Amino acid sequence: SQQGEEDPQALSIQEGENATMNCSYKTSINNLQWYRQNSGRGLVHLILIRSNEREKHSGRLRVTLDTSKKSSSLLITASRAADTASYFCATDDQYSGGYQKVTFGTGTKLQVIP
Amino acid sequence: DAGVIQSPRHEVTEMGQEVTLRCKPISGHDYLFWYRQTMMRGLELLIYFNNNVPIDDSGMPEDRFSAKMPNASFSTLKIQPSEPRDSAVYFCASSDGGASTEAFFGQGTRLTVV
Repeated sequence: SQQGEEDPQALSIQEGENATMNCSYKTSINNLQWYRQNSGRGLVHLILIRSNEREKHSGRLRVTLDTSKKSSSLLITASRAADTASYFCATDDQYSGGYQKVTFGTGTKLQVIP
Repeated sequence: DAGVIQSPRHEVTEMGQEVTLRCKPISGHDYLFWYRQTMMRGLELLIYFNNNVPIDDSGMPEDRFSAKMPNASFSTLKIQPSEPRDSAVYFCASSDGGASTEAFFGQGTRLTVV
């Protein structure tokens, strides 16, 4: 079963605007990752944030993590048409007896209009 | 490294036929994951291996599905017999640290069972 759920399911913005998408999950985690998937392609890793971190930056990406609310957000600043893709959060399961199992959320489909 | 390589990219087969999907992980990676992606169910983890040993196959939908990893550079996912509801995109991914590091995805195999 999927651990994370992204919100919104779809987002359409103008080039240059910021895009924010959220992820909520159910159980305690060790870390949370965000991936991007362009249409018809495999997933590409964007950023990993550990459970003891609250915020992380990578280029135009900013990720926050609130473990008390079991939620994370991904902010893409100054969006570009090339950012058009689906974005997924992925979480591990902290209480799975040492498993290295990663489950993906439902994804947010982002469209950036030139 | 060329990344994770999957073959074939597309497969169309008739119901009841055996289907074999292939994956070559990135050299040196000790984790290999098989995922299935559909519109209805999103991205589901089917099975993963650590050092060529299957660790968790709880996501394999039924006995018609089997996966092997005979060596560190090759894995197969077999469906026998195939059914129309198996139609999906199947992804292979590898990593060098399980859930605590990024996973590298292949381009996927789009399977259509008619």
